[in-house]
Amino acid sequence: GENVEQHPSTLSVQEGDSAVIKCTYSDSASNYFPWYKQELGKRPQLIIDIRSNVGEKKDQRIAVTLNKTAKHFSLHITETQPEDSAVYFCAASTPGQNFVFGPGTRLSVLP
Amino acid sequence: NAGVTQTPKFQVLKTGQSMTLQCAQDMNHEYMSWYRQDPGMGLRLIHYSVGAGITDQGEVPNGYNVSRSTTEDFPLRLLSAAPSQTSVYFCASSKAGTWGTGELFFGEGSRLTVL
Repeated sequence: GENVEQHPSTLSVQEGDSAVIKCTYSDSASNYFPWYKQELGKRPQLIIDIRSNVGEKKDQRIAVTLNKTAKHFSLHITETQPEDSAVYFCAASTPGQNFVFGPGTRLSVLP
Repeated sequence: NAGVTQTPKFQVLKTGQSMTLQCAQDMNHEYMSWYRQDPGMGLRLIHYSVGAGITDQGEVPNGYNVSRSTTEDFPLRLLSAAPSQTSVYFCASSKAGTWGTGELFFGEGSRLTVL
């Protein structure tokens, strides 16, 4: 079955700097890769996703890149702000299958 | 729309007690699921349902039971609570035709402590 690894487990950056979180997956059939953000005490919410027919996707300050050959994908956050502090989860799936989530990355943006 | 609603938000149980976590969605979503969240382990799937009358096991189903008699409701039953079931539980749903390919909408979570 699918296995998703995520690094780092914790990340601290200065406000205004960039943050990068990396995930690797094991099942080459996986073709959908979402990222969820979970603020403290809140529910996870989708912030961006990418499908296997696309190499990169951007939405304002966040972007996701996918390398199908190496089976890894990354979340990039530029110009970080205090409200970016949260736990971020990556996931992988295929149509008709359940998501497999990574263990999460706790991002702290320091003022 | 209220989205995905979970009750209760907090619950303390003694070992051996049983209880039901309620989950309801008003978005007419076909797919519903239950996850547990433990520190450093991400979100692990307990049970899921692809439609009314259909349920299946996920990664960590032992000690839990589910049913799906209506499209809207997907309760999770703990049959005989154990300390290992202390966790935060999330219910999630998604639209028809998006199983594994579209957004999961999560409830607010239920924090369960088993003493």
